Amino acid sequence: DAGVIQSPRHEVTEMGQEVTLRCKPISGHDYLFWYRQTMMRGLELLIYFNNNVPIDDSGMPEDRFSAKMPNASFSTLKIQPSEPRDSAVYFCASSVAGTRGNEQFFGPGTRLTVL
Amino acid sequence: GNSVTQMEGPVTLSEEAFLTINCTYTATGYPSLFWYVQYPGEGLQLLLKATKADDKGSNKGFEATYRKETTSFHLEKGSVQVSDSAVYFCAPEDSGGYQKVTFGIGTKLQVIP
Repeated sequence: DAGVIQSPRHEVTEMGQEVTLRCKPISGHDYLFWYRQTMMRGLELLIYFNNNVPIDDSGMPEDRFSAKMPNASFSTLKIQPSEPRDSAVYFCASSVAGTRGNEQFFGPGTRLTVL
Repeated sequence: GNSVTQMEGPVTLSEEAFLTINCTYTATGYPSLFWYVQYPGEGLQLLLKATKADDKGSNKGFEATYRKETTSFHLEKGSVQVSDSAVYFCAPEDSGGYQKVTFGIGTKLQVIP
C-alpha cells in the first residue's frame, strides 16, 4: 500500500484566497483525522471522521475551515478565506477500527504558507 | 479529556549517550499509550506502544513501560545515534472508543557525533 497520500505537498497562497487540501487514506481504514502543526501550538486535532461521517469537529478553529469526506477514499480540508495565521503543516492520518491500541498512519503533510 | 505532560526540548546528546524523555498523563481508566516519532520533513509514525499496565513497548532500541501507579510512560534508549534525531510525541488513547489520541507537545532530540 502507498500509505496515506496528501496533496499538494506545498501550497503558497495570498490572504483571502481559498485553499483546498486533499487526503487519500489507506484502503480499508475506517477513521480519518486532520491535524494542524505549528511551532506555537504543536499538533492540534481539527476534525475526524468514522466511516465518512464527521465525529468531532470541535478543533476546527473557525467557520472559515470546513472538511468533507464524500467517500471512503477521499477527504478535503478547505479554508476560505485564508489568513496568514493559517500558515502551518496540515497532516491527514487514518486508522482502522478494532480493539484498543490501533496505530494512526500519517501522511507526509501539506505545508501551507499564506502571504 | 486526557492531558499529557512531556518534557520540553530541545534535548541535545552526544552519540552513544543514554536517553530518557519523561511523559506523564491524566486519563479516565487505563488507556493504551503510544510514542510517535517525527523525522525532519515527515509525518508522525508509531515508534512503540503499550496497551495495559506493566507492558513494555519496544522498537529500534527504544523502550517504554506502562506505569499505572505513576501514570507515566517514559521513553528510554541506552545508546542514541545521530539517526535518532527527531521529535518524539507521547500520546495516550482517549477513552471514547473512537481511536482518538491526545498528543503531547513533542520533544526535539538532537544527537551530535
